[in-house]
Parts: sequence; structure tokens; C-alpha cells
Amino acid sequence: KNEVEQSPQNLTAQEGEFITINCSYSVGISALHWLQQHPGGGIVSLFMLSSGKKKHGRLIATINIQEKHSSLHITASHPRDSAVYICAASGNQFYFGTGTSLTVIP
Amino acid sequence: DAGVIQSPRHEVTEMGQEVTLRCKPISGHNSLFWYRQTMMRGLELLIYFNNNVPIDDSGMPEDRFSAKMPNASFSTLKIQPSEPRDSAVYFCASSLGLAGLIQETQYFGPGTRLLVL
Repeated sequence: KNEVEQSPQNLTAQEGEFITINCSYSVGISALHWLQQHPGGGIVSLFMLSSGKKKHGRLIATINIQEKHSSLHITASHPRDSAVYICAASGNQFYFGTGTSLTVIP
Repeated sequence: DAGVIQSPRHEVTEMGQEVTLRCKPISGHNSLFWYRQTMMRGLELLIYFNNNVPIDDSGMPEDRFSAKMPNASFSTLKIQPSEPRDSAVYFCASSLGLAGLIQETQYFGPGTRLLVL
């Protein structure tokens, strides 16, 4: 069993739709990271959170420590949001989810 | 700042050859991380340094892999001898390294795409 599970694995949305990507983890963590990997391969750190909620533009990340669950929301999705979104849990080690491939269609 | 710099961006080599990947972290960052990404295994943390000292190398796959950080502005990841299964994208990342080693926002380099024939 993977320490970090993401869902869905693949997601296709129409431009403007509200998108949710889920991440569940089974290990004790100090922080939960959301990464974005562009089609060209570059990786950008979107959020690091240990409690509550963070917002940056159209992106919102939440975490529920008791339920060991985090979500990444994208409001008013746009084709440029098309990327792979990776959840990573950091505690004593770094555990990565397998990623969610998002395609936003114009 | 130029961000995290990695070189080379692409490397093609033959099995058995030595491969050296290089990384320059963001100036002022005290933590440096080496990752490997493959289709089969996704992203994996290989090793990370804080203040030039290796903190956790449990992700290094085997003795053929070694990493050094001789100073705050330079790190290398070496594979000797290389094997086809080492083909992957290798990312370097850095963070401030002040508030807990793996609990800070990391800034990733563009990656080195390695192909071992």
C-alpha cells in the first residue's frame, strides 16, 4: 500500500469548471506539499501546509489532519492549468503520490 | 535570482560509463535535495543536505550512486557505473533550510534527463 494516495489519476475538465484533486496519507506528517509539474517537465511548489487552508489566486489547498486528507481545488479552471499535480507528505521521510494528470479543454 | 541551476539538461551515455550531474542551489538556501523521477516509480527523494552535510541518504538506490556538496553553492550526484535502469529525470531542489529540513517550500531546478543505453 502506498503511503500517499491521490485521486483521480486522470482528470479532464472544461474550461471554467471547478476542480478538486484529493490526497490521502497514512503516515504521520509534519507538512503536506502540493507540486505542479508542467508538460515540459518543470516542477513548481504550489503549497506547503500543516493545517487549515491556503489560497493563492485560483488555487486553494486544504488539509484535515485528523482524517489524514488534503484537497487541492482549482476555481475557474483554464487550459494553462493543464499539468500533473503531485501530493507529497513530509515527516521523517518524503512520500510522494503518483500524481493527477489534469487536462483542461477550452 | 536565477533559481536552481542544473547541468547538463540532457545526458546520453552508454552503460558502464560514469555520469555526473550538477546542481547550484538558490543563493542563501541551506538545504539541497536530489530527486529521481521515472514513469514506473514517480518522484523519489534520493538524498538531502543541510548546511552541506548529508542528512538522509536512505533513498539512494545503491552504492553506484553518490552525492557530494563541497560548498553551499554546488552539489554533484554521481552514478558509477551507470546502468540502463538509471534512465530517469533527476531533479535538484533547494530550500531555506531554517525551520525543519523537509518542512519548507522547495524550489526545483529544471531537471537533467538521463538516458543510459
